[in-house]
Amino acid sequence: EAGVAQSPRYKIIEKRQSVAFWCNPISGHATLYWYQQILGQGPKLLIQFQNNGVVDDSQLPKDRFSAERLKGVDSTLKIQPAKLEDSAVYLCASSLANEQFFGPGTRLTVL
Amino acid sequence: AQSVTQLDSQVPVFEEAPVELRCNYSSSVSVYLFWYVQYPNQGLQLLLKYLSGSTLVESINGFEAEFNKSQTSFHLRKPSVHISDTAEYFCAVTENRDDKIIFGKGTRLHILP
Repeated sequence: EAGVAQSPRYKIIEKRQSVAFWCNPISGHATLYWYQQILGQGPKLLIQFQNNGVVDDSQLPKDRFSAERLKGVDSTLKIQPAKLEDSAVYLCASSLANEQFFGPGTRLTVL
Repeated sequence: AQSVTQLDSQVPVFEEAPVELRCNYSSSVSVYLFWYVQYPNQGLQLLLKYLSGSTLVESINGFEAEFNKSQTSFHLRKPSVHISDTAEYFCAVTENRDDKIIFGKGTRLHILP
């Protein structure tokens, strides 16, 4: 079966610009997650969706980050405006039972 | 609150030598434990998991981890490493299935020739 797809793989922007990431989870997986992985650290959960509803967004910086999963399938994560400290790999994952499957990630560099 | 501690940020080891990557967790309830591996320029892959039952779990590529409830540990071991094991290894914990996972900071495994 196809894995979790993410695009773009790499993105370089200047601070204060906007950026959006896209994720297509594994077919049939109801739960979707966005993680932020800063260099030298483990992934940190930003937001969790169950179908198209938000389960947990307690660590999402809502003043600049937003995410949606309108039809309960693919999802977008947006940053507006970006800051230097947003430079990281953004990972999308989906799960059906007790295992999360991760996409390859989008590496964001903010200059 | 849950937390995961990986004490070693980097572990150098000679090829064919044994290795242990340490992981300790804190939680007030029963937990599920995972080890994920991240090869260079790739996404995270599940290496092995403990959900219930036998405290010793194994992966298909020779790694094993043992859940020790009294020591709140889930150390990862391999009796003989290969150059292809070069990667970053993340220990993770969750209190509920299909729930958010708390990751450790990772341990980078360097295999020396």
